[in-house]
Amino acid sequence: GENVEQHPSTLSVQEGDSAVIKCTYSDSASNYFPWYKQELGKRPQLIIDIRSNVGEKKDQRIAVTLNKTAKHFSLHITETQPEDSAVYFCAASVDRGSTLGRLYFGRGTQLTVWP
Amino acid sequence: DAMVIQNPRYQVTQFGKPVTLSCSQTLNHNVMYWYQQKSSQAPKLLFHYYDKDFNNEADTPDNFQSRRPNTSFCFLDIRSPGLGDAAMYLCATSRDHEAGGFEQYFGPGTRLTVT
Repeated sequence: GENVEQHPSTLSVQEGDSAVIKCTYSDSASNYFPWYKQELGKRPQLIIDIRSNVGEKKDQRIAVTLNKTAKHFSLHITETQPEDSAVYFCAASVDRGSTLGRLYFGRGTQLTVWP
Repeated sequence: DAMVIQNPRYQVTQFGKPVTLSCSQTLNHNVMYWYQQKSSQAPKLLFHYYDKDFNNEADTPDNFQSRRPNTSFCFLDIRSPGLGDAAMYLCATSRDHEAGGFEQYFGPGTRLTVT
């Protein structure tokens, strides 16, 4: 099955700096890559996603890049704010047969933004 | 407006005493998922329903069962909870994958404590 690796596991940045979280995946058939933000004790919430036919997608301070050849994708947060502090999960979805729609999650990155 | 609702939010059960967690949705999504999330870990998929078609993950213990009586409701039954089953249980829904629906909408979760 698909294997998603996520790095780093923890990330501390100063408010206003940028944060980058990287993920790799193993199955070249994966074609959907969402990023979820989970604040302590709350539900995971989708913040941005990208499909395999797109190399980059941006939404205000958040951007995701995808390199299908290298099988890696990254989350970029610019001008970080303390409210960005949370655990971020990347995931990959293999659009095939019985695994249609199934998300394979990375282990998460605890982002802390210091004021 | 709550879209994926889980009850109860907190559940305490005794070792070996059966417990049922419930999930309901107002999105009319035909796919529903149950995840187990332990502290500082990624959500782990237990099983999912594609309409009434049940899909069990290979490593989901037999102790975990699920029912989906209709589109809106899905239940997670833990027949004989052990201490290792203490976790947050997340329900999620998505649209028909065949129609290109991939985004999963998570409920707030049920925190299960086993004493």
